Amino acid sequence: SQELEQSPQSLIVQEGKNLTINCTSSKTLYGLYWYKQKYGEGLIFLMMLQKGGEEKSHEKITAKLDEKKQQSSLHITASQPSHAGIYLCGADRGGYQKVTFGTGTKLQVIP
Amino acid sequence: DSGVTQTPKHLITATGQRVTLRCSPRSGDLSVYWYQQSLDQGLQFLIHYYNGEERAKGNILERFSAQQFPDLHSELNLSSLELGDSALYFCASSADPAGNTIYFGEGSWLTVV
Repeated sequence: SQELEQSPQSLIVQEGKNLTINCTSSKTLYGLYWYKQKYGEGLIFLMMLQKGGEEKSHEKITAKLDEKKQQSSLHITASQPSHAGIYLCGADRGGYQKVTFGTGTKLQVIP
Repeated sequence: DSGVTQTPKHLITATGQRVTLRCSPRSGDLSVYWYQQSLDQGLQFLIHYYNGEERAKGNILERFSAQQFPDLHSELNLSSLELGDSALYFCASSADPAGNTIYFGEGSWLTVV
């Protein structure tokens, strides 16, 4: 089983709708990264959350970290076709073991 | 453009062969990470180098090896290739060993036939 479970695995939304992607860890979270992979391109760093309860925003994307639940959520407001891609969460396991990743959530935004 | 350069972008090779993937980190970044992304296993951490020294190993097979050179570029060597090694191999770099901000290259697509 995966250390990091993302849900949903795939998502199709209409342009303008809000959506949430969840990332749940089976181990203690020291920090959590969110990345976006555009089809055929590399991974784009979105944001890193380090403290329980921390919330960060970048343009229309907001991510929160619930340390107690070992969970993070990524919320996109008023989705646009440019938001389409695969969203990956990555957990910082501390030390130099670095990051383990979830399997990703594939997002499609229909105009 | 993340500043991390990977070559080649695409590679097709036969089983049993050996290939070398190359990564040039962002200017000034001392940390280099290698990841393998396959369809069924998501993104798997392989190995981390910092300033020429190996810092951490993940799920890297014995048939695979890596190194970071004095000019900080890194190479991932894959030998005795099997069909299951077909994947997208990402390199990432960071300025610090803790990797608080990691920048990924576009990946090298390896297809083993």
